[in-house]
Amino acid sequence: SQWGEENLQALSIQEGEDVTMNCSYKTYTTVVHWYRQDSGRGPALIILIRSNEREKRSGRLRATLDTSSQSSSLSITAAQCEDTAVYFCATDPTGYQNFYFGKGTSLTVIP
Amino acid sequence: NAGVIQTPRHKVTGKGQEATLWCEPISGHSAVFWYRQTIVQGLEFLTYFRNQAPIDDSGMPKERFSAQMPNQSHSTLKIQSTQPQDSAVYLCASSFANTGQLYFGEGSKLTVL
Repeated sequence: SQWGEENLQALSIQEGEDVTMNCSYKTYTTVVHWYRQDSGRGPALIILIRSNEREKRSGRLRATLDTSSQSSSLSITAAQCEDTAVYFCATDPTGYQNFYFGKGTSLTVIP
Repeated sequence: NAGVIQTPRHKVTGKGQEATLWCEPISGHSAVFWYRQTIVQGLEFLTYFRNQAPIDDSGMPKERFSAQMPNQSHSTLKIQSTQPQDSAVYLCASSFANTGQLYFGEGSKLTVL
């Protein structure tokens, strides 16, 4: 993709561990969205972070954004089995709220 | 609110046949997006409507693929002369003006034999 990050990876962790997923993007964006996709479902937004924010928290989720390095991360604290999903970052390079998605990270949380 | 509704959930076509996929966005949402998802390519943007008008179709293959939004309550993605490489999950999403948050349907899985 000319827009999105190329980091397709699979992570497997034990329940209770913390995990961080990374996303790098190639062009300017005013916001980074993080979506999770459960098997057989469409992606769902879980957190977004705007270009004027360096960190955003929502429950056990923490997103960071470094506009200088064009990278974002999503951390999950004390992962639970129900966090098992594929996680995507998405950027808006055109500024018209037209989002392009990275390859995603498949996270498996083992009980 | 039923969310974004996509039909059919599964479609199997023979090579060379036509496939039409339907999407009903969330009522009141002004933007509709189509994406294609495969294991290899991930989530690929195809096209985007705002207030029923086509805004960006830069992701659409130039031949065989077309999308329309004849009214605010539905959009269609048509693939003519389907090929095995068109096999994918086609996802439709809608968003409310200016929020950017995409609400996805559950997708239509197209299999071309």
